[in-house]
Amino acid sequence: AQRVTQPEKLLSVFKGAPVELKCNYSYSGSPELFWYVQYSRQRLQLLLRHISRESIKGFTADLNKGETSFHLKKPFAQEEDSAMYYCALNNNDMRFGAGTRLTVKP
Amino acid sequence: EPEVTQTPSHQVTQMGQEVILRCVPISNHLYFYWYRQILGQKVEFLVSFYNNEISEKSEIFDDQFSVERPDGSNFTLKIRSTKLEDSAMYFCACPGLNSPLHFGNGTRLTVT
Repeated sequence: AQRVTQPEKLLSVFKGAPVELKCNYSYSGSPELFWYVQYSRQRLQLLLRHISRESIKGFTADLNKGETSFHLKKPFAQEEDSAMYYCALNNNDMRFGAGTRLTVKP
Repeated sequence: EPEVTQTPSHQVTQMGQEVILRCVPISNHLYFYWYRQILGQKVEFLVSFYNNEISEKSEIFDDQFSVERPDGSNFTLKIRSTKLEDSAMYFCACPGLNSPLHFGNGTRLTVT
């Protein structure tokens, strides 16, 4: 069965500090993993996907198959990064983790 | 990215009443998804719909739920007899050009 675990419900950092949002997955095949972001009162938006290995808004995420992780990182958090972040695994149907609420304090 | 429009943006209904939530993608899609997000909780998969048939559904999607594509463009999620615990944001989504899923703005359902 596929499962996505985000162990931290809340994460608070100061502006300029590094941030890492954890995501672990359980999946028998080759996973297709994503990070979605939901800013206050807005729709879910794709932030990045593991296959593209890109950096979006300064965020990166590396798939670690050995640790079955896909942690989201940003070296210098900004206040506008405050949002809900969801790790998701796609196997025909997209399944989301519980989400982590990131708060970046000034 | 395709625009996905959901109506209404907010619906208030009494317990036991039927509600129909609507979703319209601008471009034609064969695949369609519904998700639910109870306030303060995670986004939960309800059902996927492909070529006018349910492709997969979660344990949440019980007999009180149904999905249809009544006129070839709109997608609807019907809740036959609403319960208090159905209060949530309901999102529809379809595959995007640049993303695996493009979400609508959601319908906030409040059951009183």
